[in-house]
Amino acid sequence: SQTIHQWPATLVQPVGSPLSLECTVEGTSNPNLYWYRQAAGRGLQLLFYSVGIGQISSEVPQNLSASRPQDRQFILSSKKLLLSDSGFYLCAWSVLGLNTEAFFGQGTRLTVV
Amino acid sequence: ILNVEQSPQSLHVQEGDSTNFTCSFPSSNFYALHWYRWETAKSPEALFVMTLNGDEKKKGRISATLNTKEGYSYLYIKGSQPEDSATYLCAFLYNQGGKLIFGQGTELSVKP
Repeated sequence: SQTIHQWPATLVQPVGSPLSLECTVEGTSNPNLYWYRQAAGRGLQLLFYSVGIGQISSEVPQNLSASRPQDRQFILSSKKLLLSDSGFYLCAWSVLGLNTEAFFGQGTRLTVV
Repeated sequence: ILNVEQSPQSLHVQEGDSTNFTCSFPSSNFYALHWYRWETAKSPEALFVMTLNGDEKKKGRISATLNTKEGYSYLYIKGSQPEDSATYLCAFLYNQGGKLIFGQGTELSVKP
């Protein structure tokens, strides 16, 4: 069966420090991978998605970047965190198809202080 | 820019009430429309994946309809229960492949 691992669960980082959040998927090949953020409000803002190794689409200009060094690994990074980067980050995967849903990791609560 | 809009933003109902939410999305470049349920301290979980205009899907007391030509979907909950309290999210899957855009969600609170 497929599983998704996202870590860490919580993180407190000072302003200006770097960030690396990692997400890995098991049990599937060539998944679509996503990074979302829930900041203000309840919705999920799409930050990045990837349909293959090295293919990253950025949705929102910001202080973050993403990489996909391996088929089932998706990394969210920042060189220098801002206060506005605080929020709840979710990684998700899916397989492109008409009747397939997205599956989410447990999320990372990032607080920039 | 793809806009996925949900209404209302929040809803407070009594146990036993029936309720419905709306999701509006672009009527072009449609691939699929998803509904998710997001409970506090948990990850979002899919309720429905809808692809065809006119689709109606049902899971227990929850059902959903889809109109791709006019760009909207309704989610219905019949006889709400306190355990239905959650945020309900819809998401639009863009037909260029892969891009999954979420609405802001409807937060439902069901009082016993």
